[in-house]
Amino acid sequence: DGGITQSPKYLFRKEGQNVTLSCEQNLNHDAMYWYRQDPGQGLRLIYYSQIVNDFQKGDIAEGYSVSREKKESFPLTVTSAQKNPTAFYLCASMLNLWGSSGAEAFFGQGTRLTVV
Amino acid sequence: GENVEQHPSTLSVQEGDSAVIKCTYSDSASNYFPWYKQELGKRPQLIIDIRSNVGEKKDQRIAVTLNKTAKHFSLHITETQPEDSAVYFCAAMGEKLTFGTGTRLTIIP
Repeated sequence: DGGITQSPKYLFRKEGQNVTLSCEQNLNHDAMYWYRQDPGQGLRLIYYSQIVNDFQKGDIAEGYSVSREKKESFPLTVTSAQKNPTAFYLCASMLNLWGSSGAEAFFGQGTRLTVV
Repeated sequence: GENVEQHPSTLSVQEGDSAVIKCTYSDSASNYFPWYKQELGKRPQLIIDIRSNVGEKKDQRIAVTLNKTAKHFSLHITETQPEDSAVYFCAAMGEKLTFGTGTRLTIIP
């Protein structure tokens, strides 16, 4: 069954701790994205990666880090430097159409992170 | 970078009437404009998209229009049904995919 999988679905973190959210896809997509969703603020881009071993900061990258060592995986670490980490996090992947315009983004089911 | 603005933030429509959601974007290099629907507790899913070389696209009750000169695009839903109630997001893609802030659409039976 092809798709994009995020884990865990719910995550609780103590203040001062780093935590890593998992995102795996078996769609053979080149591009992967991390978004943060807060009520009334839409989907804000944290980081994105167009190709393995390369990634770029999005609009709200401060306090987050990522890696892209494998095409299938794009984990997001929420560090203690992120001042307000409680949110819903969505991962997405997209087929890169080099030399052309975009393609459909497929989303994972999301991880709800709560700082306690 | 790209900035996408979306209006209105909430919209209530009588069942059977039409709904229109409007978005503007800032980066003239953006050339792909998808619309996503997110039902409560679910992931966003693509409902329609349009590329910069096209002015309008229709898919049954849903249509999208694009005005590249004015940098705005709109979603039109006709003959609305209760199952159309959801949050709708527009997006623009140049180098990266940037979303608007969303519109919560409520269909009143």
